[in-house]
Amino acid sequence: EVQLVESGGGLVQPGGSLRLSCAASGFTLSYYSMSWVRQAPGKGLEWVSYISSSSTTIYYADSMKGRFTVSRDNAKNSVFLQMNSLRAEDTAVYYCARSNPGSYYASWGQGTLVTVSS
Amino acid sequence: DIQMTQSPSTLSASIGDRVTITCRASQSIRSWLAWYQQKPGKAPNLLIYEASTLESGVPSRFSGGGSGTEFTLTISSLQPDDFASYYCQQYDSYPLTFGGGTKVEIK
Repeated sequence: EVQLVESGGGLVQPGGSLRLSCAASGFTLSYYSMSWVRQAPGKGLEWVSYISSSSTTIYYADSMKGRFTVSRDNAKNSVFLQMNSLRAEDTAVYYCARSNPGSYYASWGQGTLVTVSS
Repeated sequence: DIQMTQSPSTLSASIGDRVTITCRASQSIRSWLAWYQQKPGKAPNLLIYEASTLESGVPSRFSGGGSGTEFTLTISSLQPDDFASYYCQQYDSYPLTFGGGTKVEIK
């Protein structure tokens, strides 16, 4: 069974940093591209970032470029999202998702809540 | 960036109703569109990909159609478990984008 488990969320002050992790199990992570998607409280889904299976291709949403960095460690079955210079508008549940060919998502984690507030 | 516009934003319907949600893309995305269902406090659940292909395990009352810039998600006979929010997502090009969502409520 495919499992994705996010961790690392929490309360952080504006301007602060946080590193999210996504632990993958039930499949061979190195075969799949992965993505992060977020959802602000009471709002819709927003795509954040994509990383290819071998990390050779990476994309970010415009509002995250220069502040967020996605990475992965296939040997440790993990994907990461380093978030710097956090703003109040980054407050959201962050989901890790496995990309099917073409980048739609059949497998999602349960999400981790990031709250940016003083 | 490709903008995805969903309508309506809220839909009130009764059990057994036929329900249709529309998603429009700001430029052609061919058939690279997915639909998701999301219930409160839960991760999204994939319903349809490539505009009209039903994901394994999804009830056949769900169907998708369209290509280019206009797409639909239809629920042929609304069931109690279907009251939820629905999102479209284009994966024709990066940045990937989602529609604003449609909340299906009990009438």
